Order: sequence, then C-alpha cells, then structure tokens
Amino acid sequence: EPEVTQTPSHQVTQMGQEVILRCVPISNHLYFYWYRQILGQKVEFLVSFYNNEISEKSEIFDDQFSVERPDGSNFTLKIRSTKLEDSAMYFCASSEVDSMNTEAFFGQGTRLTVV
Amino acid sequence: TQLLEQSPQFLSIQEGENLTVYCNSSSVFSSLQWYRQEPGEGPVLLVTVVTGGEVKKLKRLTFQFGDARKDSSLHITAAQPGDTGLYLCAGASGGSYIPTFGRGTSLIVHP
Repeated sequence: EPEVTQTPSHQVTQMGQEVILRCVPISNHLYFYWYRQILGQKVEFLVSFYNNEISEKSEIFDDQFSVERPDGSNFTLKIRSTKLEDSAMYFCASSEVDSMNTEAFFGQGTRLTVV
Repeated sequence: TQLLEQSPQFLSIQEGENLTVYCNSSSVFSSLQWYRQEPGEGPVLLVTVVTGGEVKKLKRLTFQFGDARKDSSLHITAAQPGDTGLYLCAGASGGSYIPTFGRGTSLIVHP
C-alpha cells in the first residue's frame, strides 16, 4: 500500500542551526502539506504546496520556514536558525486533491528536538 | 481563527462499553474530518462529513455532523482495546482549506 515516508524519524539539533526535514509523498498525489504537533498540543497546519508553489500557509509559517520540491519525489521543510520552541513532531501529508475534499495521507512524522 | 473544542479530553473505559466523543465550534464548517492517531504515528483519516445532519458509519463507529455544521460526534459501540488512541477532529471554514484541528480525545480501552 502506498505511503508517505519521512526522514529522519528523529532529529536533534542545536539552537540556531538549520534543519531540513524530508518527505516522499505518494507518487500520484498533487497536494503536499506540512503540519507540526508540539508535545501535548494540537496538530497545527503549517503550509500547503501545489503545482510547485505554496498554496496556503498559516501564521506559524514565517520567514524561518521554507518548503521545496527539489525533484520529482521529495518534498522538504527547511527551518533556518532553529529555536527551542521549534521542538515538535513534524508531519508531512499528501492528497490527490485538496485535503478537505479527499483523504490526506500522513507520514509517521519527524520528531525534532532543539537543544 | 476558528476553534474546535473536543470533549472529553481523556476517556478510560472497559472493553465492551459504548462511548461518545464530541467536537464543537462556534464556526460553521464546510467539511469536518475525524482522525485517529496512535503514539509516534501520524493521524489516519477515519471519515469526512460534509452535509448538515449527515450520519456516517464505519463498522462500530458512527459519526454525525450537526445540522448547523458547527459540531460533530463520534460514537463507538462495544469498544475494543484496538480502539485505543487519540481521536482528532479537524474542520475548514470560510472558504479556506486550512484545516483547524482540535486537541483530541485520548481514549484508553482496557481489556
């Protein structure tokens, strides 16, 4: 069964460092998403991506964050100059069409720990 | 920003019991989704409801969307230990596709 895969599963980084979280969406999907979940808190939408550009982003997704689809299979989230409060689970998701009209498949997540 | 309130926050029951969890908001949603999330994994979509008053069944799970499309409920009949997990509702409104998630209901079903 096709699935969204994320790497690494756990990333530890020092405050101020840059991190890149990687995702391989399901191959025939067109919409890609990043969410985060701080421990004990809600799943929060960060950004959606379609046709090689950002389609929507939340207020959390500031200049510190960027997304890219560097090739035909990967979808990355870059966090520049990480802060302690960036520690969270980061989930990538993909869907054939927009996520609110059809099923969005989530990856297993990357646990980011900023120390 | 719309706010989704889920209740109860925690629920611990015995196998075989029935339960209902709730998702409420002051906003009207164009659609609402229920997910189940297990520790260390991503959310898995259970159902999407779109029409006010809609009822959908998924085996022992019954989902209902309120008539005004501001609330929803999830009822589980004869709960099993495999139902243990975090149940999340998420909705989009106002023409936006940005989904807002509730905090979830953490369910534990004891054998």
